[in-house]
Amino acid sequence: QQQVKQSPQSLIVQKGGISIINCAYENTAFDYFPWYQQFPGKGPALLIAIRPDVSEKKEGRFTISFNKSAKQFSLHIMDSQPGDSATYFCAASTGSNYKLTFGKGTLLTVNP
Amino acid sequence: EAGVAQSPRYKIIEKRQSVAFWCNPISGHATLYWYQQILGQGPKLLIQFQNNGVVDDSQLPKDRFSAERLKGVDSTLKIQPAKLEDSAVYLCASSLDPTRRVFFGSGTQLSVL
Repeated sequence: QQQVKQSPQSLIVQKGGISIINCAYENTAFDYFPWYQQFPGKGPALLIAIRPDVSEKKEGRFTISFNKSAKQFSLHIMDSQPGDSATYFCAASTGSNYKLTFGKGTLLTVNP
Repeated sequence: EAGVAQSPRYKIIEKRQSVAFWCNPISGHATLYWYQQILGQGPKLLIQFQNNGVVDDSQLPKDRFSAERLKGVDSTLKIQPAKLEDSAVYLCASSLDPTRRVFFGSGTQLSVL
């Protein structure tokens, strides 16, 4: 059972464009939704995270939008840069065990 | 601040052989995790330690995988015997406690031939 479904699998964006990655979850007990960025040969690194008491969180060029009723959340990267080219993973966890469940990832390529 | 250290960086073995991975977490981090990341998928938690005790090993294939965290610091993950489907990147991660930010190492890429 895939508890966190991520789309698209891959995404190509031009420099300066907006990158949008979507995730949907099934477990209503999830209450923490982080996004991780992973470069080749490196481990995932926390990018931004949100809890369901807010509908949006912004940090620099990165924004998470959260829709609790639809059980969906998305990552928006504004003014995408070639340096943003990486694999992005959404994840979710509950407050009971904090165990992270990851999506399958989105390979983002930003063309110069 | 030093990050999570892992070794070796790469390992190639034949099926049915054994292999071990080592992890040194960030100093002071009580919680340590081992994840398996198969190509094209997100990381999957294998085992979680709190100090030197196991908190969650529900997804660890215990017939072939074992892990220990002696003295609540370094940890080793062992596979014996390895199968072709064990080919993956094994990521170690740590955090101050389970509620805090998780930091990942660069992983060990295992190829089982």
